[in-house]
Amino acid sequence: DVKVTQSSRYLVKRTGEKVFLECVQDMDHENMFWYRQDPGLGLRLIYFSYDVKMKEKGDIPEGYSVSREKKERFSLILESASTNQTSMYLCASSSGQEGDSGANVLTFGAGSRLTVL
Amino acid sequence: GQNIDQPTEMTATEGAIVQINCTYQTSGFNGLFWYQQHAGEAPTFLSYNVLDGLEEKGRFSSFLSRSKGYSYLLLKELQMKDSASYLCAVTDSNYQLIWGAGTKLIIKP
Repeated sequence: DVKVTQSSRYLVKRTGEKVFLECVQDMDHENMFWYRQDPGLGLRLIYFSYDVKMKEKGDIPEGYSVSREKKERFSLILESASTNQTSMYLCASSSGQEGDSGANVLTFGAGSRLTVL
Repeated sequence: GQNIDQPTEMTATEGAIVQINCTYQTSGFNGLFWYQQHAGEAPTFLSYNVLDGLEEKGRFSSFLSRSKGYSYLLLKELQMKDSASYLCAVTDSNYQLIWGAGTKLIIKP
């Protein structure tokens, strides 16, 4: 069964702390993404990567950075957490190719719910 | 700006049919997705439409009208396990995904 695994389901951090959110996929996918999900808003793209050591800013990159040293792992880093970064963070991956449905489908992890106090 | 609109919440009865609408205004169009997300879980892919018309997959169907910027997800023979949020997303001319806020569907016995 294909899988995207996020290391932490729930985290509580203090303002100013450095936070690492880890994501690993076992599907040999080229593309990986980090989104945040907030009530009443659509998923918002933070960063994405189409290849190892490659990263691109999404719609809301401020306050975040990422690392992709290996194809299967994409890490999201909050250098100095702030209360407005309290959110659900979703990692996703895709092959970059059309599947049986004709679409480049995203496979998501279960999410990491971060609370910053 | 780019925008996806879908109802915030809907309620339906077990065994019935429900239609969840999605309207979009985006710069270009390269396909529309529906994902299902149960509370506390990952979104999972349901359907994809790139041409006008109806795509049927078991109890679920998805319709697209590109000229109207409109799609709907039709769920038949509703089951309690269909209680979830349903996310509409459109791929724009740059192949970026634009997401709606999701529709929370509540199924009552």
